[in-house]
Amino acid sequence: TQLLEQSPQFLSIQEGENLTVYCNSSSVFSSLQWYRQEPGEGPVLLVTVVTGGEVKKLKRLTFQFGDARKDSSLHITAAQPGDTGLYLCAGVSGANSKLTFGKGITLSVRP
Amino acid sequence: EAGVAQSPRYKIIEKRQSVAFWCNPISGHATLYWYQQILGQGPKLLIQFQNNGVVDDSQLPKDRFSAERLKGVDSTLKIQPAKLEDSAVYLCASSSDRGRTGELFFGEGSRLTVL
Repeated sequence: TQLLEQSPQFLSIQEGENLTVYCNSSSVFSSLQWYRQEPGEGPVLLVTVVTGGEVKKLKRLTFQFGDARKDSSLHITAAQPGDTGLYLCAGVSGANSKLTFGKGITLSVRP
Repeated sequence: EAGVAQSPRYKIIEKRQSVAFWCNPISGHATLYWYQQILGQGPKLLIQFQNNGVVDDSQLPKDRFSAERLKGVDSTLKIQPAKLEDSAVYLCASSSDRGRTGELFFGEGSRLTVL
């Protein structure tokens, strides 16, 4: 079983602050995806990273895939209340491209 | 473009009863997934279909859970008999490829409460 550990589990910050959250594994993934899930809804894809060391930016969100393709980080600049949600990382592996999710990081941004 | 449709949104049953969830994926998406998401945890894959064939059902509790995808379109997930620990949100997702680096599109989920 390939496990993805996400940290911190909970994060509550003030609007305008910066933050970084992490997704770590002992396993290598062919690619890694980040999703955001809001209450009562399904997860929505934010980004897919494929190459070791890859950095992708999505407005105020910066995603990095580790060189060894075992870990990833998400950095949010100047967080806004609209960033509130559950952030899930998911690793793709195996012949059937199985997607394994971490437990998620609950982010709350206070106005 | 219509998204992934799921029903019912909410279901409350007593233990040992049965329940069925329905999913209609995005038109043309060959791959369909059922995930179980327990409160406070990430989604756990129950079963993955490619068209109407099963690709992965290694984490499906086959003594009580069953799923089918007739004609490679709609899918149903059944639980019989339900246990207290089955209380969760059941998410259906679809993708246009085999999920290698492709996006999974999720429905809003069906929330099951087992009393």
